[in-house]
Amino acid sequence: GQNIDQPTEMTATEGAIVQINCTYQTSGFNGLFWYQQHAGEAPTFLSYNVLDGLEEKGRFSSFLSRSKGYSYLLLKELQMKDSASYLCAVRPGGSYIPTFGRGTSLIVHP
Amino acid sequence: DAGVIQSPRHEVTEMGQEVTLRCKPISGHDYLFWYRQTMMRGLELLIYFNNNVPIDDSGMPEDRFSAKMPNASFSTLKIQPSEPRDSAVYFCASSRGGGMETQYFGPGTRLLVL
Repeated sequence: GQNIDQPTEMTATEGAIVQINCTYQTSGFNGLFWYQQHAGEAPTFLSYNVLDGLEEKGRFSSFLSRSKGYSYLLLKELQMKDSASYLCAVRPGGSYIPTFGRGTSLIVHP
Repeated sequence: DAGVIQSPRHEVTEMGQEVTLRCKPISGHDYLFWYRQTMMRGLELLIYFNNNVPIDDSGMPEDRFSAKMPNASFSTLKIQPSEPRDSAVYFCASSRGGGMETQYFGPGTRLLVL
C-alpha cells in the first residue's frame, strides 16, 4: 500500500519561515505534489516535484529526496492568508492516481 | 470562463436514497476527475475520464458508486443506495492534457447522509 505522513498541525508567526515535511512509502514513484486548501474551499495546486532537488516559486519552495522518501514545502515571509491546510500527494510508479496525505493545518498568527 | 461548476452545493439525504452529483468541466478540458474528501480518509481520487471515457476507476469505493460522462460538458457521480459513511465533500476537477498541475477544482458538493 501507499503511506503518506505529514504533521497534523503547525503554527507560525507572520513574517517567519515554516517548513512542512512529508514522508512517503509507495510502490515506485511518479511524482509528488503539494496543494493548498483553505477552509471550506477546494484544493489549489502549489508544486510538482519528480526529480530530486529544490523547486522555487515565489515565496513557496518544494524539495524532494526520492532516496529518502521525503519532501518539504517551505513557505517564506508568512502572511495571514497562508493559514490553510497543505496536502502532500504522491503518485506511485506506473500509476496516474495519487495518494494524498491527511494534510497539515498551518495557523499563522500575528 | 465560469470555472468548474458543481451541483448541488449541499445535499442532505436519508440512508438508502439515491444521490446524483453533477459536474460541468471547463470548456476545452479533456480530463475530468472526481474526488472525495473526509476527515478520516483525507482527499481521494475516485475516478477520472479522458475525452469522456473512464480511464481508471480503481478509487471508486464500491459498486454503489458509479460515474458517467455522456458528453464533454457534463459528468455525474451517483451513489445508490447511499449510506451515512458516504458523507463527505465531493470535488470535481478538470484539466487540459491530464496534468495534475493544471487541474482546476470545482467548489465541491457537501453531502450528508443521515
